[in-house]
Amino acid sequence: DVKVTQSSRYLVKRTGEKVFLECVQDMDHENMFWYRQDPGLGLRLIYFSYDVKMKEKGDIPEGYSVSREKKERFSLILESASTNQTSMYLCASSPPGQQGLGSKFFGPGTRLTVL
Amino acid sequence: GEDVEQSLFLSVREGDSSVINCTYTDSSSTYLYWYKQEPGAGLQLLTYIFSNMDMKQDQRLTVLLNKKDKHLSLRIADTQTGDSAIYFCAESSSSGSARQLTFGSGTQLTVLP
Repeated sequence: DVKVTQSSRYLVKRTGEKVFLECVQDMDHENMFWYRQDPGLGLRLIYFSYDVKMKEKGDIPEGYSVSREKKERFSLILESASTNQTSMYLCASSPPGQQGLGSKFFGPGTRLTVL
Repeated sequence: GEDVEQSLFLSVREGDSSVINCTYTDSSSTYLYWYKQEPGAGLQLLTYIFSNMDMKQDQRLTVLLNKKDKHLSLRIADTQTGDSAIYFCAESSSSGSARQLTFGSGTQLTVLP
């Protein structure tokens, strides 16, 4: 069964801490994405990567960075966590092409609380 | 920029039909999608429709697209308690860039017994 896994389901961190969220997919997908989900705002794209070592900013990249050293792994980094980064973080992957754009496979999400 | 709008809440009785509506602004949208998110889970792609289609049916799901009005709907026939979830509408533009997938805010569907 193909899947996208995220390293933690729940995470609590303190303001100023460096936070790593890990995502792994086993489908050999080129595209990987990080979204945050907030009530009433839907999903907002933080960063995405369409190949190893390639990354592009999404709609809300401020305060985040990413790393894609291997095809199957895409990491989201909060250099100095702040309370307004408390959210649900969703990772997704998809194959290339226009149709693949929407055929995203999502991980279960990481609920991050920053105190 | 692109915008996708949905109502936030919908309640229906078990066995009734549910209709979840979505409007979008990007006239160059090529694919439109419906995702389902169950409590505590990630998003699951339910169905999609290509923009040159008016309707797509898949078992209990019917997607209607009115391209002129930029209106998309998802009808769930014989709604069950297991259909309770958040439903997201999303659209992609023809640019082909991987970033061009815009989600609505999601509609929380509650199925009452």
